[in-house]
Amino acid sequence: DVKVTQSSRYLVKRTGEKVFLECVQDMDHENMFWYRQDPGLGLRLIYFSYDVKMKEKGDIPEGYSVSREKKERFSLILESASTNQTSMYLCASSFGGWATNEKLFFGSGTQLSVL
Amino acid sequence: KQEVTQIPAALSVPEGENLVLNCSFTDSAIYNLQWFRQDPGKGLTSLLLIQSSQREQTSGRLNASLDKSSGRSTLYIAASQPGDSATYLCAVSPFAGGGNKLTFGTGTQLKVEL
Repeated sequence: DVKVTQSSRYLVKRTGEKVFLECVQDMDHENMFWYRQDPGLGLRLIYFSYDVKMKEKGDIPEGYSVSREKKERFSLILESASTNQTSMYLCASSFGGWATNEKLFFGSGTQLSVL
Repeated sequence: KQEVTQIPAALSVPEGENLVLNCSFTDSAIYNLQWFRQDPGKGLTSLLLIQSSQREQTSGRLNASLDKSSGRSTLYIAASQPGDSATYLCAVSPFAGGGNKLTFGTGTQLKVEL
């Protein structure tokens, strides 16, 4: 079974802090995604990576950046955390590269609170 | 811009009942549609993926259908059990490739009671 692991289940940070959310997958998937999930808004795509060092902006990239130095690891960075970034963050991965439409496999999520 | 709607937002049924969850999307030019299950405070688990050329997919007690021309999909759950209680989300992929970036509905929260 595909395993997508997010390093923290809960995080509490202060406004202005730099925050790193880590995600690791163990199935050699090329594609990795970061979504955030908010009540009433559903899941929204922040960033997508289809290969090492490759990335694409999603629907709501403002205030976020990403890093993919190794195939199995995809990091989401909040450069200066703000209260409106309090949310559930979900990492996902899928097989193939940019030209594919394979099933997504999700991690368990990180609930981030910015105070 | 693609919009995905799921109605109802919440549903409560007695154990053993067959039920249907609905998903509609505004742009019929989709590549595939995927149904997910999410337990409280957890990530999403993929249940079924239907390609745009397919009409339905089945897995155990679950059957998902797709009518692309009318912009609708249904998830049928047979003989519901308390363990089926969860939020069910549908998501559409707008085009071929792109790694399958999905547009999600906001989900139907299902409670199956003893």
